[in-house]
Amino acid sequence: DTGVSQDPRHKITKRGQNVTFRCDPISEHNRLYWYRQTLGQGPEFLTYFQNEAQLEKSRLLSDRFSAERPKGSFSTLEIQRTEQGDSAMYLCASSFRKGQQETQYFGPGTRLLVL
Amino acid sequence: GQQLNQSPQSMFIQEGEDVSMNCTSSSIFNTWLWYKQEPGEGPVLLIALYKAGELTSNGRLTAQFGITRKDSFLNISASIPSDVGIYFCAGQLGSGNTGKLIFGQGTTLQVKP
Repeated sequence: DTGVSQDPRHKITKRGQNVTFRCDPISEHNRLYWYRQTLGQGPEFLTYFQNEAQLEKSRLLSDRFSAERPKGSFSTLEIQRTEQGDSAMYLCASSFRKGQQETQYFGPGTRLLVL
Repeated sequence: GQQLNQSPQSMFIQEGEDVSMNCTSSSIFNTWLWYKQEPGEGPVLLIALYKAGELTSNGRLTAQFGITRKDSFLNISASIPSDVGIYFCAGQLGSGNTGKLIFGQGTTLQVKP
């Protein structure tokens, strides 16, 4: 399977704990995005990387959230001191931008439940 | 956060019927994408549109990029039970270098056999 993969698929944690999610993009895709999706809503942008550089962060990304893409390949999203409001599906997408054209392909997501 | 206006919110149709859904925005987009999402899974790309006025088909699916670049529609012809799911439109803004997508709130489609 050469699509975007995410790990874990599900995570249950207690409030106050730290969690880390991993995303492996489609190989040779230079851009990697993180989105958050709550029930009944469309995904909302969190942050993105071009190669290893983090180029944009949403206001949704509080200081408890941090994302990295150390070698321009896989990425991690860490949430520190989780809160119940962090419960959501966290989606990763990757793309290759050529000129103005760019198509994002999504992974299966990590569903987080904070108790 | 910013979202597109997607309608209808839900549809319950008979197998074999055609379906139409659309998205509108106050912003101009340079790309429109349509995705389908099933429970517990990530969105799966259906159609990508890159030019105003572009009409693109993928099997029984047809989508168009509006001339004003502020809207798009998706049609599904002769629906079948496996079309069930949530359909999302997503737009990519034309300004700057950001590729982030702005999503609609989704259209939930149910098909009665």
